[in-house]
Amino acid sequence: AQTVTQSQPEMSVQEAETVTLSCTYDTSESDYYLFWYKQPPSRQMILVIRQEAYKQQNATENRFSVNFQKAAKSFSLKISDSQLGDAAMYFCAYRRSGNQFYFGTGTSLTVIP
Amino acid sequence: EPEVTQTPSHQVTQMGQEVILRCVPISNHLYFYWYRQILGQKVEFLVSFYNNEISEKSEIFDDQFSVERPDGSNFTLKIRSTKLEDSAMYFCASSRLAGAYEQYFGPGTRLTVT
Repeated sequence: AQTVTQSQPEMSVQEAETVTLSCTYDTSESDYYLFWYKQPPSRQMILVIRQEAYKQQNATENRFSVNFQKAAKSFSLKISDSQLGDAAMYFCAYRRSGNQFYFGTGTSLTVIP
Repeated sequence: EPEVTQTPSHQVTQMGQEVILRCVPISNHLYFYWYRQILGQKVEFLVSFYNNEISEKSEIFDDQFSVERPDGSNFTLKIRSTKLEDSAMYFCASSRLAGAYEQYFGPGTRLTVT
């Protein structure tokens, strides 16, 4: 069964600093997709970044980047130059060929001014 | 930017009652989903829906659950006889296509069963 683990329930970062959120997953598949979603307080989840497992190059979206280690089944999210608006719950998610997402339990990120 | 909307934002119901949670997916999307999140736990997949039928469902989605797209815009989740353990946040999502494509999530409906 696919499982996604986020071992950090809460994280905090000083404004303008860099923070890394951890995610590991378990799968026997070779072809799959990984996502980071952000959920601000009382708002819907929005996609932050996506990684295809067949791509060796780590995905980057502006201040957000991932460190994808396929052999280690690790998919961490790095947020550079943290801003107050980055404060949210962050969910790591896994998806294989079907429609089903598997989510982690989330990491609550606080940005300290 | 188009968004998935859900109503109501909070629903309180008594055990054994039927509830219908409503969602309006993004208009040009073809795939629709329901997820739930019990407080403090993971977001869990319930069901996906395409071309007016269920395409995939989890073991959570038993006979007390059903989904419907009654018209061209709404997508509903019905729970026939609610139990205390059905209390959770229910998220609707939609995507234009399947596979690697992003799913767009609604803000959720908090269901409280008393």
